[in-house]
Amino acid sequence: KNQVEQSPQSLIILEGKNCTLQCNYTVSPFSNLRWYKQDTGRGPVSLTIMTFSENTKSNGRYTATLDADTKQSSLHITASQLSDSASYICVVSALGYNKLIFGAGTRLAVHP
Amino acid sequence: KAGVTQTPRYLIKTRGQQVTLSCSPISGHRSVSWYQQTPGQGLQFLFEYFSETQRNKGNFPGRFSGRQFSNSRSEMNVSTLELGDSALYLCASSPVRGALTGELFFGEGSRLTVL
Repeated sequence: KNQVEQSPQSLIILEGKNCTLQCNYTVSPFSNLRWYKQDTGRGPVSLTIMTFSENTKSNGRYTATLDADTKQSSLHITASQLSDSASYICVVSALGYNKLIFGAGTRLAVHP
Repeated sequence: KAGVTQTPRYLIKTRGQQVTLSCSPISGHRSVSWYQQTPGQGLQFLFEYFSETQRNKGNFPGRFSGRQFSNSRSEMNVSTLELGDSALYLCASSPVRGALTGELFFGEGSRLTVL
């Protein structure tokens, strides 16, 4: 069964600290893996999109890694800010099934 | 450049009714895809339209349908509404490559409440 699992479900960190969010998937074959940030009540915003051959991709303070062999991805947030408080969603594009499969998300709260 | 626009933003319907949601993509984007987001199931892919043709489809019943017009604007329809259809419905547009391979630009969503 094609699945995308994210951990932790929720996370609280202090402003200025770093954190890492995890995404494990069983989708095979896949076209790409994406990370989105979704503020409460808003639509998701793309952070990174990585294809099978890419290991690392950065977008400002956000760095995503992909290990296609172990089917794992991580999103590292550096020097967190209050505005990083949001849900972070991992999405895998399932090549053979012609659809996107979403993880349940990690809810991050950054406290001052 | 204007973003993805969804209307209405909020609506309330009763069981058995039908609803139509509208999405205007970013200018020049030919792909429009729809998603349902609920607290229990999270985000789920409904379907994608590209150049007025449905290209990909998720695992939703036939009560969920859509269409795309020649100007790339899209509508989504849900018939015979059920309580479980209460959700945030998101629309996203993509440049040439489409939803599965290209970047998605989401609208703010239409929040549907079914009573």
